[in-house]
Amino acid sequence: DGGITQSPKYLFRKEGQNVTLSCEQNLNHDAMYWYRQDPGQGLRLIYYSQIVNDFQKGDIAEGYSVSREKKESFPLTVTSAQKNPTAFYLCASSMVQGYNEQFFGPGTRLTVL
Amino acid sequence: KNQVEQSPQSLIILEGKNCTLQCNYTVSPFSNLRWYKQDTGRGPVSLTIMTFSENTKSNGRYTATLDADTKQSSLHITASQLSDSASYICVVTFRETSGTYKYIFGTGTRLKVLA
Repeated sequence: DGGITQSPKYLFRKEGQNVTLSCEQNLNHDAMYWYRQDPGQGLRLIYYSQIVNDFQKGDIAEGYSVSREKKESFPLTVTSAQKNPTAFYLCASSMVQGYNEQFFGPGTRLTVL
Repeated sequence: KNQVEQSPQSLIILEGKNCTLQCNYTVSPFSNLRWYKQDTGRGPVSLTIMTFSENTKSNGRYTATLDADTKQSSLHITASQLSDSASYICVVTFRETSGTYKYIFGTGTRLKVLA
């Protein structure tokens, strides 16, 4: 999985709870991304960050929040405002935003009980 | 609207056979196109990247083609193996007028190779 780790692999959440998904990379990449994958749909961008202390909303940012305090780390918080959070979440990184290959982590499967 | 469409949605073949997966896109302006392989429950892994000027690129038993005029790409798998069972995702990158790059993901083709 190319130097990107995500934890946990499986996560269960009760309705109304916030949860944080971890993403760490040791590839010295500047850009990092969070995607959501649902059955029968392409990956959808939640948030991305081009440099430390900067991040931008993707196509489906509502109900999610991120931080980028360190180059290596880009945690994603799924808040209680996200109405349908059950999904497979993928973190990725690339040398710079856009042109370069994205390396993906192994993913976290979040299930809301 | 920028879109990437893949076909077929799913495919079943016998081990040792060849197959071809299709990717059509309406993304503009085009920057590059990648094919990823995603095993079930895992993150995607890059197979090939193609830029505007490249027609064919191979990676072992995987060969990707690109026709920038018709905005079509294909991924050909030769002598399939059981380990080829996975989803194959086509991703097209384009650059917005703001200078920001965007990735458009296809929904993937789910390939099952049977012994």
